[in-house]
Amino acid sequence: QVQLVQSGAEVKNPGSSVKVSCKASGGTFNSYAISWVRQAPGQGLEWMGGIIPQFGTANYVQKFQGRLTIIADGSTSTAYMELSSLSSEDTAVYYCTGDPLGSCGGGTCFHFEFWGQGTLVTVSS
Amino acid sequence: DVIMTQSPLSLPVTLGQPASISCRSSQSLVYSDGNTYLNWFHQRPGQSPRRLIYKVSNRDSGVPDRFSGSGSGPDFTLKISRVEAEDVGVYYCMQDTHWPITFGQGTRLEIE
Repeated sequence: QVQLVQSGAEVKNPGSSVKVSCKASGGTFNSYAISWVRQAPGQGLEWMGGIIPQFGTANYVQKFQGRLTIIADGSTSTAYMELSSLSSEDTAVYYCTGDPLGSCGGGTCFHFEFWGQGTLVTVSS
Repeated sequence: DVIMTQSPLSLPVTLGQPASISCRSSQSLVYSDGNTYLNWFHQRPGQSPRRLIYKVSNRDSGVPDRFSGSGSGPDFTLKISRVEAEDVGVYYCMQDTHWPITFGQGTRLEIE
């Protein structure tokens, strides 16, 4: 099964961008679908979007369209989530998730079977 | 977006006793392939969420058999037959039938 290891905590100024990485090991990177879920302090879980590295095209929740970019680098088995125009409302723990493509169903391949450890992004001036 | 409504939001339980969490969806979760894409997750304090149940009633690998999922829409249930100390935390239901994927607001289980 895949293990997902994320980059470390970040502190960013309002208006800037943050890029979080998610490195996969223990599985074939291109046989997984990678998603990003965030959790504001004391709040619930919110899906942001995902990518299937084999195909390279990312899908984004409308709320984040225009300021979210998800990419995958097969050469390093690493997915990245970049969020721009940060505000205090973006302060959250960001999780990457992974799903084997064999579990695709229901019109999506994102079912959140495996999770990274989370990356805290703090937006503050 | 599909709204997932959980109840109760807080659930005090005595060790060894059963527990039940409900989740109601604002739309049918039956996909055109006949499957219902309703999942349950558990998040312990300070940890990443862990998927427990997928497609209503299928336990993930390593999930104790005291956890069970049921329901046929719009109401779904997660049951714990005998609560153990390690079961504390927040439980979330999630639907991935409709775009975008949405979660319930969470149910906090605590030991009383």
